[in-house]
Amino acid sequence: GENVEQHPSTLSVQEGDSAVIKCTYSDSASNYFPWYKQELGKGPQLIIDIRSNVGEKKDQRIAVTLNKTAKHFSLHITETQPEDSAVYFCAARSGGGSQGNLIFGKGTKLSVKP
Amino acid sequence: EADIYQTPRYLVIGTGKKITLECSQTMGHDKMYWYQQDPGMELHLIHYSYGVNSTEKGDLSSESTVSRIRTEHFPLTLESARPSHTSQYLCASRPAANTEAFFGQGTRLTVV
Repeated sequence: GENVEQHPSTLSVQEGDSAVIKCTYSDSASNYFPWYKQELGKGPQLIIDIRSNVGEKKDQRIAVTLNKTAKHFSLHITETQPEDSAVYFCAARSGGGSQGNLIFGKGTKLSVKP
Repeated sequence: EADIYQTPRYLVIGTGKKITLECSQTMGHDKMYWYQQDPGMELHLIHYSYGVNSTEKGDLSSESTVSRIRTEHFPLTLESARPSHTSQYLCASRPAANTEAFFGQGTRLTVV
């Protein structure tokens, strides 16, 4: 089955700096890779996703890159702000076909210091 | 804002009690999930359903049970709660395979 590794587990940056979180996956058939942000006391919310037919996707200060050959994908946050502080999860959709569950990484706690 | 709701948000109960955590979504999604989130943040899939009358156990063994009698409702039941069940429980739903999951706010359960 699919296995998703996420690094680092904690990340502290200065406001205005960039933050990068990396994930690797094991199932070459995985074709959907979302990123979630979880704020304290709330459920995770999707911030960006990418499908396997695309190498990069950007939404304002957030971008995701996918390297299918190496089976890794990364989240890039530029010009970080204190409100970016949260736990971030990457995920990969396991297997092919019409089913397949999302397999999550263990999370990265991002702290943005003002 | 996703239309998926969990009740209660917080619950403190005594050991041995039976409890049901409620999860409802109004989006007509077939796929629904229960995750247990430990203090170290990791999300563990404990149950999922691909539609009415479909339930499966997830990757993490759990003493809880689920039912899916209606599309919109996916309750999780603990027959006899123990302190080891203390955790955050998150419910989620998805319309199809290659789409995002929408999460509820979670239920923080404490068993004393």
